[in-house]
Amino acid sequence: NAGVTQTPKFQVLKTGQSMTLQCAQDMNHEYMSWYRQDPGMGLRLIHYSVGAGITDQGEVPNGYNVSRSTTEDFPLRLLSAAPSQTSVYFCASSFGSGLGELFFGEGSRLTVL
Amino acid sequence: SQQGEEDPQALSIQEGENATMNCSYKTSINNLQWYRQNSGRGLVHLILIRSNEREKHSGRLRVTLDTSKKSSSLLITASRAADTASYFCATDGAGGYQKVTFGIGTKLQVIP
Repeated sequence: NAGVTQTPKFQVLKTGQSMTLQCAQDMNHEYMSWYRQDPGMGLRLIHYSVGAGITDQGEVPNGYNVSRSTTEDFPLRLLSAAPSQTSVYFCASSFGSGLGELFFGEGSRLTVL
Repeated sequence: SQQGEEDPQALSIQEGENATMNCSYKTSINNLQWYRQNSGRGLVHLILIRSNEREKHSGRLRVTLDTSKKSSSLLITASRAADTASYFCATDGAGGYQKVTFGIGTKLQVIP
């Protein structure tokens, strides 16, 4: 049972490049979400999804796109990377509507030069 | 803005001592959760307490919730060096009950 898998673990981008952070879970969880973690800021919610085809914005959605075509996958897209998006990104999933225990991936460390 | 705020931001204790961390939040909640994060790793769920509960125990962990004061505390008894980690509270309710938001965390160091 792999849980929540994030790829890549590390990525370096140049300003203006695009990329997708992948997140997959094998627990049949309806709820999935993306957070970014910055020093002194804790975790901030970027986007979340309560099921396939349903997504919504969190606290800091600007510069990020998501889609949820399957229950298992919830990719996070950066269309035009900026240095301010340098961060560690965490994907999490939960059974049901997200009010219960969140299962986290190991994180993706992104540096934008 | 973040819903929860932990206090203190850093705590250093000797092995065997108890560690207490506090969390305050701003809006009404359904649940409050505590998570642990080891350096460079993802967060791991420790305990969930519902808004109609006042206290919950799990092993060496004790969590209290005071909804009138909008605050919670996490007590780790008989701490071990392996408890060294950052601890976060997470709440729903700010901007919608499906938005789970985290505080900035308490960094706990347990000295052997």
